[in-house]
Amino acid sequence: DAGITQSPRHKVTETGTPVTLRCHQTENHRYMYWYRQDPGHGLRLIHYSYGVKDTDKGEVSDGYSVSRSKTEDFLLTLESATSSQTSVYFCAISESWTQQETQYFGPGTRLLVL
Amino acid sequence: DQQVKQNSPSLSVQEGRISILNCDYTNSMFDYFLWYKKYPAEGPTFLISISSIKDKNEDGRFTVFLNKSAKHLSLHIVPSQPGDSAVYFCAAHTGTASKLTFGTGTRLQVTL
Repeated sequence: DAGITQSPRHKVTETGTPVTLRCHQTENHRYMYWYRQDPGHGLRLIHYSYGVKDTDKGEVSDGYSVSRSKTEDFLLTLESATSSQTSVYFCAISESWTQQETQYFGPGTRLLVL
Repeated sequence: DQQVKQNSPSLSVQEGRISILNCDYTNSMFDYFLWYKKYPAEGPTFLISISSIKDKNEDGRFTVFLNKSAKHLSLHIVPSQPGDSAVYFCAAHTGTASKLTFGTGTRLQVTL
């Protein structure tokens, strides 16, 4: 199994509060991704990173920011959480971006915004 | 706009029989397709993939078929086993970006 951990694994927060989710990898992979999984939508890409300090938006990036100051860590921040951001969040990594390169996923963080 | 669609949210199959999971896509720029399997409370894990230059790829009990003209792919599991019970996501990739586009998933239940 790829060495990917996510913290926290579960979080309950209130609307309007900031939340930061952490993804940590031990594989030294260049690419890291944040997805959210919601019923009826599958997995949707929020942001991704193609190197330290290099990030780009995915299809559902509004309300989220990311940072990557080290190869091994990719942080997802909800500046002011809303109930629509209640979801399961998955981090993924890949060594490159070629078609043959699969993404390896972390165990997920379940976030509930009240 | 859902570019990758899995129109069957769930599927129930008897142990030993064939499971067929379907996926349709609309973006003709997709050139690589993957299937991921997800158990509850775990992250998705890669299962099998196929390049758009092929029409079939086989790995043990799992075979993926691609019909480019119909923009359709399917995953066949033969024989199905209870441990195959999971949610299966179809995903697609274009050669110009490092992003995967996922379908909504199909929950497979293999019954005894």
